[in-house]
Order: sequence, then C-alpha cells, then structure tokens
Amino acid sequence: DAGVIQSPRHEVTEMGQEVTLRCKPISGHDYLFWYRQTMMRGLELLIYFNNNVPIDDSGMPEDRFSAKMPNASFSTLKIQPSEPRDSAVYFCASSPSGGATEAFFGQGTRLTVV
Amino acid sequence: GQQVMQIPQYQHVQEGEDFTTYCNSSTTLSNIQWYKQRPGGHPVFLIQLVKSGEVKKQKRLTFQFGEAKKNSSLHITATQTTDVGTYFCAGPRDSNYQLIWGAGTKLIIKP
Repeated sequence: DAGVIQSPRHEVTEMGQEVTLRCKPISGHDYLFWYRQTMMRGLELLIYFNNNVPIDDSGMPEDRFSAKMPNASFSTLKIQPSEPRDSAVYFCASSPSGGATEAFFGQGTRLTVV
Repeated sequence: GQQVMQIPQYQHVQEGEDFTTYCNSSTTLSNIQWYKQRPGGHPVFLIQLVKSGEVKKQKRLTFQFGEAKKNSSLHITATQTTDVGTYFCAGPRDSNYQLIWGAGTKLIIKP
C-alpha cells in the first residue's frame, strides 16, 4: 500500500476563496482523522470518521470548515471562505482501530492563505 | 477533561549527549504511543506500549510505561543528528477511538 495520500501538498490561496483538501486513507482502515498543526497550537484533531461516518467534529473551529467521507477511500476537508488564520499544515491520518492502534499519517497539505 | 502533558517543550543537546522526554496523562491509559516528526515531515509511529511497567528498546531509544499506566518516557542514548525532530506521545481517549496528543518535545542538536 502507498500509505495515506494527501493532495495537494502545498496550497496558496487568497482570503475568501474556497479550499478543498483531499485524502485517500490506507485500504482497510476504518478510522480517518483530520488534524491541523501550527506552531502556536500544535497538533489539533479537527474531526474523525469511523466507517465513513463522522463521529466527533468538536475540533472543527468554525462553520467555515466542513469534512466529508463519501466512501471508504476518499475524504475531503473544505474551508469556505478561507482566512489567513487558517494557514497551517493539515494532516490526514488513518488507523485500523482508532486509538487502540497506530495512526498512519499522510505527508500533509501546507496551506497558506494570503 | 482528559489531558496528556509532555515536557520539556524543547531540549538542546550536544551530539553524543542523552535526551529524555516525559509524558503524563490525567487518566489511566490502555496504551501509549510514541511518534517522531522530522522537520518539515509528518508524524511517524515509533512504538506502542500496553503493559504496566513495560520497557521496550529500539537501538538507542528506550521507552517506558509507568506502573500506573499514566506516565511514560522516551530516552535516547548518545544522540545523533538523525535524531533531530519532535517527539510526541499520544494515548487513547476514554472512548478509545481517538488519540490525545502531548505537545511534543523538540530535540535540537547544538552546532
């Protein structure tokens, strides 16, 4: 397996634009997690899915953020409209058994909102 | 709420010196995991500890899980430049479905 695949690797966008980040988890993993990492706040869990169903979205900062998982092999994180404070590295991770086993991270998307 | 505290935030060492990072949970954990993130990279799983008092070694890295399963440590002997990065501990939330992360300890090798 190629591991967790995220795209794009880098995204630069203007304030107010819509941004969509994509993730393909490892096949067979039932859990998918979206994280955000910044120097100030460290690694934050935004939302996670179990078997394509959103379980906990309490980490999503605002209504501008939304996430979907239409099938077991694809998830998106959308920010609309984007703001400069959304600039961060966004990681997607998948796991076979949630917190009971290791999480496999994608390489991340570095988002810059200008 | 459930928390995982990790100290120190940074550690500067000379190459060849030892490095230790400590992790403390507010609740008993079913397991604790350690990850390494290289500069510009993504967190990569190192190891999982499950048993009370467990000690595991990976070459120069020694991982310990406390008897009460609330604390853990990672010790690196004779650091090398390849050890540079941030080390995170993480433990499952009570529901066991998601991980709670420590803030990480950044290992910096002095020039």
